[in-house]
Amino acid sequence: DSGVTQTPKHLITATGQRVTLRCSPRSGDLSVYWYQQSLDQGLQFLIQYYNGEERAKGNILERFSAQQFPDLHSELNLSSLELGDSALYFCASSVATGGEIGGELFFGEGSRLTVL
Amino acid sequence: GNSVTQMEGPVTLSEEAFLTINCTYTATGYPSLFWYVQYPGEGLQLLLKATKADDKGSNKGFEATYRKETTSFHLEKGSVQVSDSAVYFCALSGRSGSARQLTFGSGTQLTVLP
Repeated sequence: DSGVTQTPKHLITATGQRVTLRCSPRSGDLSVYWYQQSLDQGLQFLIQYYNGEERAKGNILERFSAQQFPDLHSELNLSSLELGDSALYFCASSVATGGEIGGELFFGEGSRLTVL
Repeated sequence: GNSVTQMEGPVTLSEEAFLTINCTYTATGYPSLFWYVQYPGEGLQLLLKATKADDKGSNKGFEATYRKETTSFHLEKGSVQVSDSAVYFCALSGRSGSARQLTFGSGTQLTVLP
């Protein structure tokens, strides 16, 4: 158990809809990261938050947005969903801004999104 | 930009066979290197890491040495077990813009048969 909690574990929805994925980081971790894992794209970095502030952006679509709340949990909002958005979405957390020399990320079990 | 290239899978081995999964990287500066493992139905977890050239990371019988001259970080294990069946990701931590980022390879699926 990594200590990172993601909900829901599975989600099935239709094209054009909007969903929200939730992540609770490990106790004490200030950084939250979102990754998308799909068969054709592999593991893609979406966005990072540190203590409530956006820290870095990766390959995140404009239809997607995220935020980190004062209690440090994070939500990833996916809107106007398309078939190609079907993927496993991972949240990870770390103590600091992450990626520091020797830094480690702790991953949740993921939220599997299926868009029909 | 930073990138990681892993050997393509899937890899299928018999129990007690020797394992090598190749990983090479492109990065500016001095990245840290990692191997993460993803067991079925689970998230990724850190397997081992190395933070500077010639460092050897090791854990659970797995080893990888940070080779700056060949920009490689190959994963090895002398005798694999069925329980090692998983997807293995090579990753580097390097600067991208204003922050350091973890960049992953595409993953290598390993299946170990009894």
